[in-house]
Amino acid sequence: GAVVSQHPSRVICKSGTSVKIECRSLDFQATTMFWYRQFPKQSLMLMATSNEGSKATYEQGVEKDKFLINHASLTLSTLTVTSAHPEDSSFYICSAQWRTGVNEQFFGPGTRLTVL
Amino acid sequence: SQKIEQNSEALNIQEGKTATLTCNYTNYSPAYLQWYRQDPGRGPVFLLLIRENEKEKRKERLKVTFDTTLKQSLFHITASQPADSATYLCALGGLSGTYKYIFGTGTRLKVLA
Repeated sequence: GAVVSQHPSRVICKSGTSVKIECRSLDFQATTMFWYRQFPKQSLMLMATSNEGSKATYEQGVEKDKFLINHASLTLSTLTVTSAHPEDSSFYICSAQWRTGVNEQFFGPGTRLTVL
Repeated sequence: SQKIEQNSEALNIQEGKTATLTCNYTNYSPAYLQWYRQDPGRGPVFLLLIRENEKEKRKERLKVTFDTTLKQSLFHITASQPADSATYLCALGGLSGTYKYIFGTGTRLKVLA
């Protein structure tokens, strides 16, 4: 199946710093990528939908100035958590679709962010 | 209000039996529904997709049903094995003409040897 990678897998940072997470589709071109956040024992919460070359669409309650998403190519999307705070600590997961529409998402392995 | 509910309690079953997981939703009209498997600390892995005009879908030991009247999907694993132990998530898609997905909270399945 299609492979999606995320980097880094874990990051620990100090409060107030910014963290960038990369999501890459390794063997296919992703027209759409999604970014999710998952707290312990909870479900995946969609943060934003990203289409290559256009601005991301953020879900209600997600601050676009805090969570910057860039989808510059068909194989790479980045999520930058700006001025991170302890409450931003979570598991961030991206997914990619090779074709917009009714088809499965391929998920990355996730990035565990801990903000001290 | 809109809700997606999966069995919140963990499901323990004996190896070889059929596991049945439930996904109920309220005030959504999904055009399709997907099931994913998630292991601890990992991203979800796609298992099956079923559309609103399909009643049942099968893949090897997996079977999914979709009842849009009851607003429910059932996910079955036959001849379950300890390796099937994981959290299973349902996801609603095709909501209001969008391509985004809304996930349930998941059910943790443990298959006992």
